[in-house]
Amino acid sequence: NAGVTQTPKFQVLKTGQSMTLQCAQDMNHNSMYWYRQDPGMGLRLIYYSASEGTTDKGEVPNGYNVSRLNKREFSLRLESAAPSQTSVYFCASSEGWSNQPQHFGDGTRLSIL
Amino acid sequence: DQQVKQNSPSLSVQEGRISILNCDYTNSMFDYFLWYKKYPAEGPTFLISISSIKDKNEDGRFTVFLNKSAKHLSLHIVPSQPGDSAVYFCAASARATNAGKSTFGDGTTLTVKP
Repeated sequence: NAGVTQTPKFQVLKTGQSMTLQCAQDMNHNSMYWYRQDPGMGLRLIYYSASEGTTDKGEVPNGYNVSRLNKREFSLRLESAAPSQTSVYFCASSEGWSNQPQHFGDGTRLSIL
Repeated sequence: DQQVKQNSPSLSVQEGRISILNCDYTNSMFDYFLWYKKYPAEGPTFLISISSIKDKNEDGRFTVFLNKSAKHLSLHIVPSQPGDSAVYFCAASARATNAGKSTFGDGTTLTVKP
């Protein structure tokens, strides 16, 4: 009963390095989301995918790219990491309707030096 | 412009007493509201929700109240237990929004003292 699985759980990068965060869900959900959470702040939407084959920008997309590989998997890529991208990244999934809650993974803690 | 605001960063209550967490929103298109609970080093988990056609929804010790005219909702926890100590996020979504996106508040850290 995994739900939403994120890998890796922790990562340290140097400025300028690239990295892909992986996310997979086993609930057959249509929609998937990537958020970042900075200290003392809420969850800010980076990108989302309403359904397989579609992706759209959220509130803070700059510096990131995403791929909805299939219905299960949604990856987030940092092409050239910057210290401002140090954060905790959460992936979530849902049925895709406004009255359905999102299910979250346990996060990836990313530090960029 | 923050559309969902939780003005109290923290709240401390005694075990057995009531905890009241508040949330305000500005976007009148929001018609569904959710509360999530988050423990350290874990992702948020869904707690309770309410549709804009209702003004109250209850689930065990948790009750959410919605005041549409004031654009305000609150989460009541009665009685509070030490295991309720966590960060609580308020979220709102609109039926017209693509993909069921939600807008989140900054969270309120609840501490329940034994």
